Amino acid sequence: GEDVEQSLFLSVREGDSSVINCTYTDSSSTYLYWYKQEPGAGLQLLTYIFSNMDMKQDQRLTVLLNKKDKHLSLRIADTQTGDSAIYFCAETTYSGGGADGLTFGKGTHLIIQP
Amino acid sequence: DTAVSQTPKYLVTQMGNDKSIKCEQNLGHDTMYWYKQDSKKFLKIMFSYNNKELIINETVPNRFSPKSPDKAHLNLHINSLELGDSAVYFCASSQGLAGELFFGEGSRLTVL
Repeated sequence: GEDVEQSLFLSVREGDSSVINCTYTDSSSTYLYWYKQEPGAGLQLLTYIFSNMDMKQDQRLTVLLNKKDKHLSLRIADTQTGDSAIYFCAETTYSGGGADGLTFGKGTHLIIQP
Repeated sequence: DTAVSQTPKYLVTQMGNDKSIKCEQNLGHDTMYWYKQDSKKFLKIMFSYNNKELIINETVPNRFSPKSPDKAHLNLHINSLELGDSAVYFCASSQGLAGELFFGEGSRLTVL
């Protein structure tokens, strides 16, 4: 079955860039996602990328996709204390018949040091 | 207005009891899900319903029974609760583009 792997923890200093990495195994993945979970809350979609794209930028967020290596990364520029959360990578293979559910990674805990 | 709402938010119960968690979404979505998040924050899909029909049923004990009375509701009933059922259960919904899930705030179940 599909597998999505992420490091469990990342620690960065406030103001630095954070880069969270993810690898996946399903070569037919069509959409890849980054979700953010703050303490005591549900997951919220941060951004997503189609598999035919290499890069997507949205304000402080940059998503890079290397389809050959099945590697996805999320870069957060100028990391702030409010970015402290768990970041989940997820993938799906969209069959066109509706949502099939996502396969999530185990989540990366982003820790911000002052 | 809450898009995906779950009740109760917290549930503490004894082993062997039966309990239910309810979920409602007001987004007009066709698909709803139940996810389980364990103490290490690992997230696993349990069930998915599309237009009230079960479309994903992962390897979950048959003590767990989802019910979708209509497109806007997906409830989860758990029989004979066990210690290992302690977790946060998230309801989610989606429409159209696969994977853009909207999550509820979670229901934390503690089995003593």
